[in-house]
Amino acid sequence: NAGVTQTPKFQVLKTGQSMTLQCAQDMNHEYMSWYRQDPGMGLRLIHYSVGAGITDQGEVPNGYNVSRSTTEDFPLRLLSAAPSQTSVYFCASSSHYDRLAYQPQHFGDGTRLSIL
Amino acid sequence: AQTVTQSQPEMSVQEAETVTLSCTYDTSENNYYLFWYKQPPSRQMILVIRQEAYKQQNATENRFSVNFQKAAKSFSLKISDSQLGDTAMYFCAFMKREKNYGQNFVFGPGTRLSVLP
Repeated sequence: NAGVTQTPKFQVLKTGQSMTLQCAQDMNHEYMSWYRQDPGMGLRLIHYSVGAGITDQGEVPNGYNVSRSTTEDFPLRLLSAAPSQTSVYFCASSSHYDRLAYQPQHFGDGTRLSIL
Repeated sequence: AQTVTQSQPEMSVQEAETVTLSCTYDTSENNYYLFWYKQPPSRQMILVIRQEAYKQQNATENRFSVNFQKAAKSFSLKISDSQLGDTAMYFCAFMKREKNYGQNFVFGPGTRLSVLP
């Protein structure tokens, strides 16, 4: 099925470890983004990309890196995991080929990440 | 910076009845979009309804409708004939266009809705 695919669905890390959360979409969407969702809070934007080769920071970028080498993939890297990064992470994509139109975001199913 | 407030952390409604979830936002922008997303226990984020700020007519999608009051910066969601499957977290979201074709989504903290049999 077309959509946004996130892997893994669950992950447990030790403090200081690094890992990459994968996100792929097959809808040829230009815009992709990463959010984290913490209890009692809405989704907060970590990083986003408006196209291949272009990335920018969101509201809470510290401790995370991203790259966008292809339109389809937008991985999120944790360089040195910290307990404060325990959260549920969502990847999303949307199209903005028509700048006068808006497009809702399509979300992946999320990755639950625990840092011990 | 934009902010989105949902003042009702939790709500409940009897099956088949109507419930209204509130959302207010703060922005200096004139051209923006508003959304309601639903997140059931499966954690998937599902778009429920959307509204363009330049449209005065309130959006409607089957049992879901909004009351958009631009001057008051209010965007409430009404669910009619509530069903058990409506049980979920509901997030209000604000989006404005960025200069570089980027999008700036800001989400509220969510309202947990329980539909009771």
